[in-house]
Amino acid sequence: QVQLQESGPGVVRPSETLSLTCSVSGASISSSYWSWIRQTPGKGLEWIGYIHYTGSTDYNPSLRSRVTISTDASKKHFSLSLSSMTAADTAVYYCARHDADVSATGTGWFFDLWGRGILVTVSS
Amino acid sequence: EIVLTQSPGTLSLSPGERATLSCRASQSVRNNYLGWYQQKPGQAPRLLIYGSSTRATGIPDRFSGRGSGTDFTLTISRLEPEDSAVYYCQQYGSSPWTFGQGTKVEIK
Repeated sequence: QVQLQESGPGVVRPSETLSLTCSVSGASISSSYWSWIRQTPGKGLEWIGYIHYTGSTDYNPSLRSRVTISTDASKKHFSLSLSSMTAADTAVYYCARHDADVSATGTGWFFDLWGRGILVTVSS
Repeated sequence: EIVLTQSPGTLSLSPGERATLSCRASQSVRNNYLGWYQQKPGQAPRLLIYGSSTRATGIPDRFSGRGSGTDFTLTISRLEPEDSAVYYCQQYGSSPWTFGQGTKVEIK
């Protein structure tokens, strides 16, 4: 059974960098795309970015200047780094796995499995 | 980016009734790459539907999706108490992938 678990600090100071890790059990990262998504009461669900096992990434333009998603050699974890944190970045952060939706004209990648989420509060 | 608008904001229905949730996109969703998720308080979203109409593994057949282009619908044919949740649509046809703001389904 595949499970995802987010870990990291629950509180980050303004202007600092948030670092979160998603641990993947029951599967290897070398099998799909993997994303970070956050949820706030004000903006709802917001896709942050993904990493593919080949190392390719894509980020939401709204956050691109501050985001880095990476994975490690073990392929059992992937990480999120979000710099210059402000109160607007207070949210529940989720990691998620993608699955393929294959059609005659291409492939889309939906979120088929999510971690339980971690609440990150930006506060001094 | 594609903006998804869901309606209504809240549905209040009795067990056994039918719920119809709408998701409208600001532009056509490529290949109807549209999913629906259910979220209960304190939990992560759970995939219900992908590709506009394909039920995810283990999802009861009372959940169904349809639609194409810019207009999509999630129907819960016979509401059960455990269906009380917020439902989100999400498009994965164009980056950045985006979500609707959600429809809350309340069971009377």
